Amino acid sequence: AQSVTQLDSQVPVFEEAPVELRCNYSSSVSVYLFWYVQYPNQGLQLLLKYLSGSTLVKGINGFEAEFNKSQTSFHLRKPSVHISDTAEYFCAVSEGQAGTALIFGKGTTLSVSS
Amino acid sequence: DVKVTQSSRYLVKRTGEKVFLECVQDMDHENMFWYRQDPGLGLRLIYFSYDVKMKEKGDIPEGYSVSREKKERFSLILESASTNQTSMYLCASKSAGPYEQYFGPGTRLTVT
Repeated sequence: AQSVTQLDSQVPVFEEAPVELRCNYSSSVSVYLFWYVQYPNQGLQLLLKYLSGSTLVKGINGFEAEFNKSQTSFHLRKPSVHISDTAEYFCAVSEGQAGTALIFGKGTTLSVSS
Repeated sequence: DVKVTQSSRYLVKRTGEKVFLECVQDMDHENMFWYRQDPGLGLRLIYFSYDVKMKEKGDIPEGYSVSREKKERFSLILESASTNQTSMYLCASKSAGPYEQYFGPGTRLTVT
């Protein structure tokens, strides 16, 4: 069965520092990978997705992620964070061609301070 | 822009009440989902629907039922609300195939 592990539940960083939020998944078949962001009291918004092709994926708000099949990872990075990036981030995986339901990680809270 | 709306942002109900949470999407998506979100547990799938009148159980269907009579509308029903169903409920929709899900703003339900 699929599973998604977000290795850090909380990541505190200072403004303008780089950040990496780690995500590992387990699956024996081809996967589709997503990162979502949730600001306080809001729904989830798609940051970026990997469906096929280039393993380096660029998303909104300056975020990017790299799909590493051998390490079954899909880590999210940003070279310089802002206070406004403070939010909860979820990694999700969908399996196979049908790609219906998503399996979510438990989330990583990114706290950016000045 | 895809829009997924949920009938209430905040809801307070009493134990034993029947509760309806409504979700509407405007993009003709085939698939619709209900999740609940709890601190430290992430999002857990309650039910999903891949077509009108079709439904599949997710990971935590106990105590819930769903209804999809029209393509754009997916309802979550708590037959007899209990305090352990206090949570944030998120609805989502997507097209058939490996595409992203679009989420509504969520309903924060408190059962007292």
